[in-house]
Amino acid sequence: EAGVAQSPRYKIIEKRQSVAFWCNPISGHATLYWYQQILGQGPKLLIQFQNNGVVDDSQLPKDRFSAERLKGVDSTLKIQPAKLEDSAVYLCASSSGTGSYQPQHFGDGTRLSIL
Amino acid sequence: RKEVEQDPGPFNVPEGATVAFNCTYSNSASQSFFWYRQDCRKEPKLLMSVYSSGNEDGRFTAQLNRASQYISLLIRDSKLSDSATYLCVKGGYNKLIFGAGTRLAVHP
Repeated sequence: EAGVAQSPRYKIIEKRQSVAFWCNPISGHATLYWYQQILGQGPKLLIQFQNNGVVDDSQLPKDRFSAERLKGVDSTLKIQPAKLEDSAVYLCASSSGTGSYQPQHFGDGTRLSIL
Repeated sequence: RKEVEQDPGPFNVPEGATVAFNCTYSNSASQSFFWYRQDCRKEPKLLMSVYSSGNEDGRFTAQLNRASQYISLLIRDSKLSDSATYLCVKGGYNKLIFGAGTRLAVHP
């Protein structure tokens, strides 16, 4: 079974620039998550999709972050404009259901550095 | 106060040692708990779920104490390959909340 695919693996940009990340979940997984993991911290949920609808985006900084999952499969996360504090690893995960008991499978992540 | 709190470590132990990590959580309404493992510069991977009755998977034993609101992970006969960060996770409604992790370093 192919895992969660993410690209790019690394991205370096200057502050105030924009950046986008892409995620393709495990085939058949209806739920997709974007997490932000700052160095030394655990992953923090940014947004959760069930198919192409948003379940939870309470911790997404909506003034600069946006995400979409138009066809209920792959997803993009965008930051515009980037700030220094956005330097982190952005992890995408997927699961077959929405319950917290469902195992989440993570992609390799995108490591973002803001100069 | 963070919802999930862990000792960041590092725990430096020799091969063959037994090591235990604890994790405390707030909001007793949480229904599900997990331990995830994260290797350096890698993604988190589910290690095991944690049940009130306790559960064991080979050298790993997890316990949940709802009254005191803590979770533990015991690793017996540590291997070099156990070196990683162990993330304590609680399940809220439809989402997971991760602790910052406890770093384990097993040395020869």
